[in-house]
Amino acid sequence: GAGVSQSPSNKVTEKGKDVELRCDPISGHTALYWYRQSLGQGLEFLIYFQGNSAPDKSGLPSDRFSAERTGGSVSTLTIQRTQQEDSAVYLCASSLEAGGGYEQYFGPGTRLTVT
Amino acid sequence: AQSVTQLDSHVSVSEGTPVLLRCNYSSSYSPSLFWYVQHPNKGLQLLLKYTSAATLVKGINGFEAEFKKSETSFHLTKPSAHMSDAAEYFCVVSPHSGGSNYKLTFGKGTLLTVNP
Repeated sequence: GAGVSQSPSNKVTEKGKDVELRCDPISGHTALYWYRQSLGQGLEFLIYFQGNSAPDKSGLPSDRFSAERTGGSVSTLTIQRTQQEDSAVYLCASSLEAGGGYEQYFGPGTRLTVT
Repeated sequence: AQSVTQLDSHVSVSEGTPVLLRCNYSSSYSPSLFWYVQHPNKGLQLLLKYTSAATLVKGINGFEAEFKKSETSFHLTKPSAHMSDAAEYFCVVSPHSGGSNYKLTFGKGTLLTVNP
């Protein structure tokens, strides 16, 4: 079956521009997660969705970052006024339910480069 | 609070020799522990997971890991390395139960190189 997909796979943007990153989770998965992978910080949790609600946004690094999920499916991560330190690989994952017993399936990521 | 320390940033082995990737964890809660693998330009793939059942966990591709509570360790092993095992490996911890049991905390990763 189809896995988690993300688009675009690569994005180059100029400092100060807004970007939108998209995630299509596995069909039927109620939980969705965004992570960021950067050289300096490793892999960091950003935000968790259960259905369309985001009970945990604690990992979002600033108010320039926001995310939404619609129809219990597709999610969009938006970064406003991008900065060079936002350059990283943004990974999306989904799981059937939330919790330690449920495997999180990861997408291939979107590599964001801010110039 | 939870954290993971992967003791080696880079491990190099010869094909056919054993692999040992070391991981220590810290968790305020009874933990779930995972090993994920990331091949170049590919997504993260779950190798194996421990969630309070058997302490010796077998995963895909011949990998296994042993949960040792007294040592707070969850080292990953494989008896015989294959060239296709070359990748980056991440040790991951999450609370087994409680309000944040979905939140994965990743180690910094260990890059495994397999020499012919």
